[in-house]
Amino acid sequence: NAGVTQTPKFRVLKTGQSMTLLCAQDMNHEYMYWYRQDPGMGLRLIHYSVGEGTTAKGEVPDGYNVSRLKKQNFLLGLESAAPSQTSVYFCASSHGPGSAYEQYFGPGTRLTVT
Amino acid sequence: RKEVEQDPGPFNVPEGATVAFNCTYSNSASQSFFWYRQDCRKEPKLLMSVYSSGNEDGRFTAQLNRASQYISLLIRDSKLSDSATYLCVVNKGTDSWGKLQFGAGTQVVVTP
Repeated sequence: NAGVTQTPKFRVLKTGQSMTLLCAQDMNHEYMYWYRQDPGMGLRLIHYSVGEGTTAKGEVPDGYNVSRLKKQNFLLGLESAAPSQTSVYFCASSHGPGSAYEQYFGPGTRLTVT
Repeated sequence: RKEVEQDPGPFNVPEGATVAFNCTYSNSASQSFFWYRQDCRKEPKLLMSVYSSGNEDGRFTAQLNRASQYISLLIRDSKLSDSATYLCVVNKGTDSWGKLQFGAGTQVVVTP
């Protein structure tokens, strides 16, 4: 099992450009999450999904959109990148009710917006 | 005030020594508590859950103090491989879908 994978690992964008981060998991997990991690701050939840076809906003959703068309994939989109979105983005997944707090993380995507 | 606060460290620990550190949380309704470990430039991984009665996992001991709203982690007989950032994690509410609040982490550096 690959666990949780993220594509790409690194990316540099110019202000105003768009991109999509792909997260894939092969553990048949129901729940998936997108976080961002900035220096001196804990991981902050951007969006999450409790099942295929469902998404919901987290703590810092502005400037991001997500989709979960297939159970194993969770996509994070930046429509118009801003320097404030420079961060490390982590995707995570968990089984579902009863074990939602044991989250498995992907290796992260390091995004720089200039 | 941050919902989950941790001393960022670093805690410099000689190999074989014991190190302990705390984390405070502000939401008295929190029910679930965890320690995650994050190696440099890697993803977080669950280290252990923290139970009300306290629990051990090998060299690691976690304690919960609900009255004072803090959790602690103690590492005995520190190994070089214990060098990492330890993230204190608390659930934000009573729903079941895993809404977690992460602390910024405590860095531990174990030296030979």
